Amino acid sequence: DAGITQSPRHKVTETGTPVTLRCHQTENHRYMYWYRQDPGHGLRLIHYSYGVKDTDKGEVSDGYSVSRSKTEDFLLTLESATSSQTSVYFCAISGRGSAWETQYFGPGTRLLVL
Amino acid sequence: AQKVTQAQTEISVVEKEDVTLDCVYETRDTTYYLFWYKQPPSGELVFLIRRNSFDEQNEISGRYSWNFQKSTSSFNFTITASQVVDSAVYFCALSDSQDGSEKLVFGKGTKLTVNP
Repeated sequence: DAGITQSPRHKVTETGTPVTLRCHQTENHRYMYWYRQDPGHGLRLIHYSYGVKDTDKGEVSDGYSVSRSKTEDFLLTLESATSSQTSVYFCAISGRGSAWETQYFGPGTRLLVL
Repeated sequence: AQKVTQAQTEISVVEKEDVTLDCVYETRDTTYYLFWYKQPPSGELVFLIRRNSFDEQNEISGRYSWNFQKSTSSFNFTITASQVVDSAVYFCALSDSQDGSEKLVFGKGTKLTVNP
């Protein structure tokens, strides 16, 4: 299994509070991704990173920001959480060389915004 | 735009039946990659297969097989002699390099239930 951890694994928060989710990898992969999974929508890309300090938006980036200050860590921040951001969040990594190498996923974080 | 369609939202079969999960894709890329992932009830996402657009050979791995047909833009997944442990949501995904991006586009998934 790829060495990917996500923290926290579960979180309950209140509307309007900031939340940061962390993805940590030990595989030295170049690419890192944040997805959210919701019933009826499958997996939707929030943001991704193609290197340290290099990030780009995905399909559902509104309300989210990311940072990658070192290869192994990719942070997802909800600046002011809303109930619509209740979801399961997955981090993925790929590509020591190419982005089209297989993406491997972390265990997920369940976030409930009350 | 890149798009992946998994028209079967849910499928229910009885153990030992064969089942095919459909995946149809749209892309303007001449080189692209297709993937299948499995998400069992425990929630993790498990990689099953990666196939590039130049390789149209069918692939078999134990009870699993994949049929890639560029002519119909399909990458279907068949489980032979299904087992209860095959119960999961299965996702098909397509590489997206439009506008210089480097990401995957996922279908909405097919939930497979294998009953004993």
